[in-house]
Amino acid sequence: AQKITQTQPGMFVQEKEAVTLDCTYDTSDPSYGLFWYKQPSSGEMIFLIYQGSYDQQNATEGRYSLNFQKARKSANLVISASQLGDSAMYFCAMRAPTSGNNRKLIWGLGTSLAVNP
Amino acid sequence: GAVVSQHPSWVICKSGTSVKIECRSLDFQATTMFWYRQFPKQSLMLMATSNEGSKATYEQGVEKDKFLINHASLTLSTLTVTSAHPEDSSFYICSALGGAVGRTDEQFFGPGTRLTVL
Repeated sequence: AQKITQTQPGMFVQEKEAVTLDCTYDTSDPSYGLFWYKQPSSGEMIFLIYQGSYDQQNATEGRYSLNFQKARKSANLVISASQLGDSAMYFCAMRAPTSGNNRKLIWGLGTSLAVNP
Repeated sequence: GAVVSQHPSWVICKSGTSVKIECRSLDFQATTMFWYRQFPKQSLMLMATSNEGSKATYEQGVEKDKFLINHASLTLSTLTVTSAHPEDSSFYICSALGGAVGRTDEQFFGPGTRLTVL
């Protein structure tokens, strides 16, 4: 069964420090994609970063990087130099196997991040 | 690019009425759109996958007759909550697939619609 696990319901980080949000996944499909989204209190879902299962290097997007450990089936999000505006819910998601026309995502329960000044 | 809009952003209605929510991809064509429901402080729950020109695929446990989905064009999908009841109050989010080169698997999300049924 496909599954995304985020074990940290809530995290605190001091402004300007780095924080790692954990995500582990389970799939038997050799081809998959992993996504991280940010959801501030306004409700919009903001795409942060993507990692394909065949990508050789860890994905990076500005202050966001994905620590992809394929053997351990983990895809942790690292936010460097945290800012107050980073306070939000963070969701890890996995693209389901490419069957038919659907590309639905499997979602984790999310991690609430609070950045302290 | 890759902007998705939703309308309305919030709606309050009386129990028993129907509410239609629109999801539009503004600058790209989306053959597939997804409808999610989210309760406070919870994850997104996929309700259905909407493919242009065909019937929507509903997730297990989602009532097809209650949540009507129409994907009549490559840029518009609608979700109609029929005979709404207070338990239907929730945050509804749509997403559209594709739109960017090399990101055909990326879902672009609308801003969401907050439905309150009195």
